[in-house]
Amino acid sequence: DTGVSQNPRHKITKRGQNVTFRCDPISEHNRLYWYRQTLGQGPEFLTYFQNEAQLEKSRLLSDRFSAERPKGSFSTLEIQRTEQGDSAMYLCASSLDRIPDHGYTFGSGTRLTVV
Amino acid sequence: KQEVTQIPAALSVPEGENLVLNCSFTDSAIYNLQWFRQDPGKGLTSLLLIQSSQREQTSGRLNASLDKSSGRSTLYIAASQPGDSATYLCAVVSGGSNYKLTFGKGTLLTVNP
Repeated sequence: DTGVSQNPRHKITKRGQNVTFRCDPISEHNRLYWYRQTLGQGPEFLTYFQNEAQLEKSRLLSDRFSAERPKGSFSTLEIQRTEQGDSAMYLCASSLDRIPDHGYTFGSGTRLTVV
Repeated sequence: KQEVTQIPAALSVPEGENLVLNCSFTDSAIYNLQWFRQDPGKGLTSLLLIQSSQREQTSGRLNASLDKSSGRSTLYIAASQPGDSATYLCAVVSGGSNYKLTFGKGTLLTVNP
């Protein structure tokens, strides 16, 4: 098990384009979270899945954002019609338990730059 | 709504010094607290996890304490090294939060050789 994997590591896109990020959690982890981190700030919650069900979405997740986790395995986060304000580090985390007694494991993140 | 504050925002120390990073949270009804390290442009690496029933956890030169009733945690780093330079983030899992993490803004630590 190589931990939580995120791809791509970096993405530069022009404003108005669509982008998609992928997260592969630790295989036995059934809970998966997406966070967004801007410069100088702590990560902020976007959404989370338990298996394939998306159970909560933050108000930060506008209509341009959509996330999926088909079959409860990997997850994708898509941003449509990107804006410069979407530039940030997008972090994925997974955990094993319903109550995360073993904590969370984060991936290396995807850094998005919208130009 | 849970809020997490970390003090100081930045800290610069000479190599070999012992140091303390502080974290406070407004809602004491937490399940656990986790300290992370983040190198520039990288993801988060978990350092220590403290359950709500625990008072402290230790790993090597790191010791984290938790005082749940007062809403405080500290991360103590002994004999600091230049390789410890990074941003340190504190995060809590609160009751009724779908077990998601709420983060502070972090403390940027620089250890000078």
